Amino acid sequence: EVVLTQSPATLSLSPGERATLSCRASQSVSSYLAWYQQKPGQAPSLLIYDTSTRATGIPARFSGSGSGTDFTLTISSLKPEDFAVYYCQQRGNWPPTFGQGTKLEIK
Amino acid sequence: EVQLVESGGGLIQPGGSLRLSCAASGFTVSSNYMSWVRQGPGKGLDWVSIIYSDATTYYADSVKGRFTISRDNSKNTVYLQLTSLRVEDTALYYCARGGGTVMPLDYWGQGTLVTVSS
Repeated sequence: EVVLTQSPATLSLSPGERATLSCRASQSVSSYLAWYQQKPGQAPSLLIYDTSTRATGIPARFSGSGSGTDFTLTISSLKPEDFAVYYCQQRGNWPPTFGQGTKLEIK
Repeated sequence: EVQLVESGGGLIQPGGSLRLSCAASGFTVSSNYMSWVRQGPGKGLDWVSIIYSDATTYYADSVKGRFTISRDNSKNTVYLQLTSLRVEDTALYYCARGGGTVMPLDYWGQGTLVTVSS
């Protein structure tokens, strides 16, 4: 199965700063990479799918890029509500797999 | 409005069984792919099972032969039957729309907690 490795494990930033989260796949997943946000005590929610398509209602400060094995989630200017755990997930190969998550915390 | 509500979790002894339910509203489960994803305490997300619109089912290797996914179209509900439960099955179980290699998981329920302990 495809192993997704997210880095860093924890990212400490301040509101207004730019966040860059990485997800690396053990083999190509084409463009079938999604990002989910999970806040404490809540279910995950879809942010971006197919590498760069924002889900309904997701603000433009969230963007995704990459292809093949290397993907990036960028948050252009952090707002207080963006501090959460972010997971990447691939559906380019069976079975679908998730990364271990990146915790974005307030510095 | 799309909504998914899970129920059926609880405390169960190793080797026991449990049936989880996921009641959907705002869309028809039989026309969609429906997945179960679990999250162990303080851990990440693990895909568990999926049922396709044509009723084809798939399972993660860790649960194959022990868990069964199904749906009741008249109740617009998806189920996950858990048997031969192990301590390592302890997790918050989420129902989500979508999945497999076809589509992302675009709506999630709030989850139901399964605790396997003696």
